Amino acid sequence: AQTVTQSQPEMSVQEAETVTLSCTYDTSESNYYLFWYKQPPSRQMILVIRQEAYKQQNATENRFSVNFQKAAKSFSLKISDSQLGDTAMYFCAFSAQGGSEKLVFGKGTKLTVNP
Amino acid sequence: GAGVSQSPSNKVTEKGKDVELRCDPISGHTALYWYRQSLGQGLEFLIYFQGNSAPDKSGLPSDRFSAERTGGSVSTLTIQRTQQEDSAVYLCASSLWGNQPQHFGDGTRLSIL
Repeated sequence: AQTVTQSQPEMSVQEAETVTLSCTYDTSESNYYLFWYKQPPSRQMILVIRQEAYKQQNATENRFSVNFQKAAKSFSLKISDSQLGDTAMYFCAFSAQGGSEKLVFGKGTKLTVNP
Repeated sequence: GAGVSQSPSNKVTEKGKDVELRCDPISGHTALYWYRQSLGQGLEFLIYFQGNSAPDKSGLPSDRFSAERTGGSVSTLTIQRTQQEDSAVYLCASSLWGNQPQHFGDGTRLSIL
């Protein structure tokens, strides 16, 4: 079974600064995907970034980038130039390639961006 | 609409009653997932539908839970004889097929009195 661990229940950052959210995972699968989802108070889960495990290059999406360390099974999210709208719960998630590709989620990190 | 639609947005019911939650996926998406989000358990997978294949029901917590997907589109999650521990937000997601990013609806908040 796969597990995803987010060790930071809450974090805060000043507007315009950079913050890194941590995530580690455990799996015996060789082909898989990793995700960061954002959930604002509106409740909708929004995909922030996706990483395919076979790709060595770290994924980036505008102000969001990841540091994927496959051997260490680590997948951290860096948010640059933080904005007030980034305030949300952030969930790290794993899915194994093949089969149902269901998402296995971490417990989440509550990020607050302060003005 | 363009996104995944779930109804109702909120549902309050008495313990022991049956409830039905509805999910309308993005048009053309063949894969559909149900997840449950609760304070104690976090986000848990419940069930997965892909086209005409047999669903993956491995996440359903008890036989009081069932789901169907009619015509490869709309899905209904049914909870029979609801218990207080069923109180949670039920999220639906869809994707083009199983290998593609999942798009989530706004969820149904279920409260059991």
